[in-house]
This record gives sequence, structure tokens and C-alpha cells, in this order.
Amino acid sequence: EPEVTQTPSHQVTQMGQEVILRCVPISNHLYFYWYRQILGQKVEFLVSFYNNEISEKSEIFDDQFSVERPDGSNFTLKIRSTKLEDSAMYFCASRLTGGASDTQYFGPGTRLTVL
Amino acid sequence: GQQVMQIPQYQHVQEGEDFTTYCNSSTTLSNIQWYKQRPGGHPVFLIQLVKSGEVKKQKRLTFQFGEAKKNSSLHITATQTTDVGTYFCAGPNNFNKFYFGSGTKLNVKP
Repeated sequence: EPEVTQTPSHQVTQMGQEVILRCVPISNHLYFYWYRQILGQKVEFLVSFYNNEISEKSEIFDDQFSVERPDGSNFTLKIRSTKLEDSAMYFCASRLTGGASDTQYFGPGTRLTVL
Repeated sequence: GQQVMQIPQYQHVQEGEDFTTYCNSSTTLSNIQWYKQRPGGHPVFLIQLVKSGEVKKQKRLTFQFGEAKKNSSLHITATQTTDVGTYFCAGPNNFNKFYFGSGTKLNVKP
């Protein structure tokens, strides 16, 4: 069964450094998402992306964050200057369409630790 | 902004007992989705409910969507140790922005 993949599985960085989290959505999917989950807390929506542009973003997704689809397969989340509070699990997800009945598939996540 | 609340936060049951988690939204939802997250894992889609008053079953799991489309529940009959995990509901404001509930962590004692 097709699946969403994410790399790396764990990223450790120093505060103030830039990180890029990578995702490969399911190949024929058109809608892409980033979520984060601080340890023990709920899943929080960050951003959705369709047709090479952001379609929705949350209050968390400030100027420090950016997303890109640099080629036909990768979908990246960049954090420009990491803060301690950015430490969390980051999940990528994709959907075939944006339709109401469409399933959202999550990747295994990247654990980001900011020291 | 839209809020999705879930209760209880934790539930410990003996294997074979039933379990229910409840989800409430501050606004009417177009649909509601349920996910299961095993410890250390990622959310896995379980089901989506769209119609007012809809009830769907998956083996021992029964999902309901309220008449006003502002609340939902997940009921597990005769829990098993494989049911352990956190169950989240998620409601979109449209089709591209999802608000997740705080989750109910289920522990099943054998």
C-alpha cells in the first residue's frame, strides 16, 4: 500500500539554526499538510498546500516557517531560526483530493529536538 | 476560532470492558474524522462521518455524528489490548484546515 514517507526520523539542532524537514507524499495525491505534536499533546495543524501554494495556515505558522514543493515528489517544511519551543514531532500528511470524503494519510513523523 | 474538545483525557479499562470517547466542537462541522495513534506512532485514519445523525460501525467500533453536527462519539465494545492508544477526533473548518481534539488516551489492562 502506498505510504507517506518522512526524513529524517529524528533531527537534533541548536537553537537559532535552520532545519528542513522532508516529506514524500503519496505519488498521485494533490493536497499536502504539515502538523506538529508536542510530546503528550494534541496534533496541531500548521499548513495545507495545494497547486503549489499555501491554501490554509494556522497561527503557529509564522514567518519562521515556510513550505515548498521543490520537485514533483518532495514536500518540505523549513524552520528558519529554531526555538526551544519548536521541539516536537512533525507529521506530513497527504490526500488525493480536497473532497469531504477523502482520507488523510499521515507519515511516520520527524522528531525535532532543539537544544 | 474553532475549538474541538474531547473527553475524557484518559481512560483505563479492564480488557473486555467498553470504552467511549466524546468530541464536541464550538462550531458546526461539515464532517468529522477519527484517528488512532498508537504510542510512538503516527495518527491513522479510522473513519469519516458526514451526515447529521450518522452512525457507522467497524467491527467493535461504533462512531456517531450528532444531529447538530457539533458532536461525535466513538464507542468500543469489549476492549482488547490491541485497542491501546490515543483516539483523536478532527473537524475541518473547510476541507483544508483540520482542528484536532485533545485526544483520549486509552489503556487496557489484560
